[in-house]
Amino acid sequence: GQNIDQPTEMTATEGAIVQINCTYQTSGFNGLFWYQQHAGEAPTFLSYNVLDGLEEKGRFSSFLSRSKGYSYLLLKELQMKDSASYLCAVMDSNYQLIWGAGTKLIIKP
Amino acid sequence: NAGVTQTPKFRVLKTGQSMTLLCAQDMNHEYMYWYRQDPGMGLRLIHYSVGEGTTAKGEVPDGYNVSRLKKQNFLLGLESAAPSQTSVYFCASSSSGRATGELFFGEGSRLTVL
Repeated sequence: GQNIDQPTEMTATEGAIVQINCTYQTSGFNGLFWYQQHAGEAPTFLSYNVLDGLEEKGRFSSFLSRSKGYSYLLLKELQMKDSASYLCAVMDSNYQLIWGAGTKLIIKP
Repeated sequence: NAGVTQTPKFRVLKTGQSMTLLCAQDMNHEYMYWYRQDPGMGLRLIHYSVGEGTTAKGEVPDGYNVSRLKKQNFLLGLESAAPSQTSVYFCASSSSGRATGELFFGEGSRLTVL
């Protein structure tokens, strides 16, 4: 079966760095997405990786290793507004998105 | 810009009642999707559409029907609501069904079935 695993919850301190991991087992691979979802709101797109390596976008970076079925989202200089759930999703060989359950990130002052 | 708009935002139903959720997008996107989001689970695809007049089943289609009569609208119907359909429903659209098409989500519709 197809499976996306990510930690349920993480806690970090304002100003620090946090890494949210995502491992996947899917039927084929056509890219990996990260979305941010604040409580009670809609998911919003953060990043897309299809090739191995690191993609940097401001304070957020996303890494992919296809051979290991692994990705991480790195958030630097954490701000209170970064408190949210972070959703990992993989597009399989049929171009269907398989979603992880999300990681709830709690930022403490 | 409105983006993706869902109505209603909240609804309480009794078991056996029917209702329709409306999704409207103003980005001229071809692809539209209905997801449900439940605690501890990833988003699950109910139905989707790759263009006006087309619909297809997703991962969890049972108990739901959809229609895409106009390109900008995608309707999700519950014919006979069940408590298991209590969830938050998200509509999304994208310009492409391929990996380059990021999803734009509506604000969600919270449905409770008693």
